[in-house]
Amino acid sequence: AIQLTQSPSSLSASVGDRVTITCRASQGISVALAWYQQKPGKAPKLLIFDASSLDSGVPSRFSGSGSGTDFTLTISSLQPEDFATYYCQQFYSFPDTFGPGTKLEIK
Amino acid sequence: QVELVQSGAEVKKPGSSVKVSCTASGGSFSSYAFSWVRQAPGQGLEYMGGIIPIFGSANYAQKFQGRVTITADNSTNTAYMELSSLRSGDTAVYYCARSGSTSSNYMDVWGEGATVTVSS
Repeated sequence: AIQLTQSPSSLSASVGDRVTITCRASQGISVALAWYQQKPGKAPKLLIFDASSLDSGVPSRFSGSGSGTDFTLTISSLQPEDFATYYCQQFYSFPDTFGPGTKLEIK
Repeated sequence: QVELVQSGAEVKKPGSSVKVSCTASGGSFSSYAFSWVRQAPGQGLEYMGGIIPIFGSANYAQKFQGRVTITADNSTNTAYMELSSLRSGDTAVYYCARSGSTSSNYMDVWGEGATVTVSS
């Protein structure tokens, strides 16, 4: 199975900051990558699919980039509601796999 | 907009089985993949397997092969996940999720999750 790593595993930031989270795949996955946001006690929410496509209703401060093995999720200006855990997922080959998550905390 | 409603919390004994349902309303059912993802307490997301109802056959992650059965009922727009030989490590929230397209398995709609607790 394709392994995904995320960095950092946790991050402290302030409202208004620009934040970047990285996801690296153990082999090339083209652009078959999604990003999710999860808040405590809630189901994950899709933010980005196909590496850079914003899901409907997701604020434009979220953006994704990358292809092959290296991907990034960027939040251009953190808002209070953005403090959560973020996961990447590859759907290039079966089985789908998720990264270990990045916990974004308030500084 | 499709909504996924899952069955309720379960408490099971080690060695028993659990069957979780996921009913879709408000959108297409048969042509999209339905995946099952679990999350142990304080842990990350773990993909278990999925099914495309119109095709009927499911695919399972190797870790769960032989213990999990995923099915779908097109007449009721419901997907099911049954996990057998339960052990304490299976204590988790079990989510169903629908793929965002018929050709890619990013998951754009999620159920609320069903908590399964395995305890003697």
